[in-house]
Amino acid sequence: DADVTQTPRNRITKTGKRIMLECSQTKGHDRMYWYRQDPGLGLRLIYYSFDVKDINKGEISDGYSVSRQAQAKFSLSLESAIPNQTALYFCATSAQANTEAFFGQGTRLTVV
Amino acid sequence: TQLLEQSPQFLSIQEGENLTVYCNSSSVFSSLQWYRQEPGEGPVLLVTVVTGGEVKKLKRLTFQFGDARKDSSLHITAAQTGDTGLYLCAGGPHNNAGNMLTFGGGTRLMVKP
Repeated sequence: DADVTQTPRNRITKTGKRIMLECSQTKGHDRMYWYRQDPGLGLRLIYYSFDVKDINKGEISDGYSVSRQAQAKFSLSLESAIPNQTALYFCATSAQANTEAFFGQGTRLTVV
Repeated sequence: TQLLEQSPQFLSIQEGENLTVYCNSSSVFSSLQWYRQEPGEGPVLLVTVVTGGEVKKLKRLTFQFGDARKDSSLHITAAQTGDTGLYLCAGGPHNNAGNMLTFGGGTRLMVKP
């Protein structure tokens, strides 16, 4: 089983719809992250959490929200999806700030 | 904000050639990580360098951390088609400059047979 599991793997949704992307990890790490990847732009941080009661905005948080339901679960929501949110989304976890980040396989989201 | 710039953005070479990709910043990092991402997958860590001037080798891949810990390079000898992918560098925070990794924009490498 993968250390970091994302669901769904692919999703097509309509403009204006609410959508939730889910992430769970078995690494036992406190730190969890959501990134967005667009061609040529690398990984951009949307939100991050250092424990269950901690939520922090990243560089591109507008239009997104998150929920840290448990140490192992971190979900990302798009309250009202728009086409420019079409991208590849990755969840990741790490033990500390400068230790290895473990990524999920990604969710390819298309907003039409 | 700490920024990392990777160059080149794209590189297409023939199998057997050598190549070097770069990761540069004006900021100091506590460590530098290199990841490879294959299509349909998340990035996977290749190596972490932590000491200025450090060189690490992973089979045909050689990683170097700059003396001032502001830059890094990845050299691949005799590239193979299996080396194709997106190479990302990520810097660890230094002296309370943030509290997480900073990722570069990546170098997309294609090795043709």
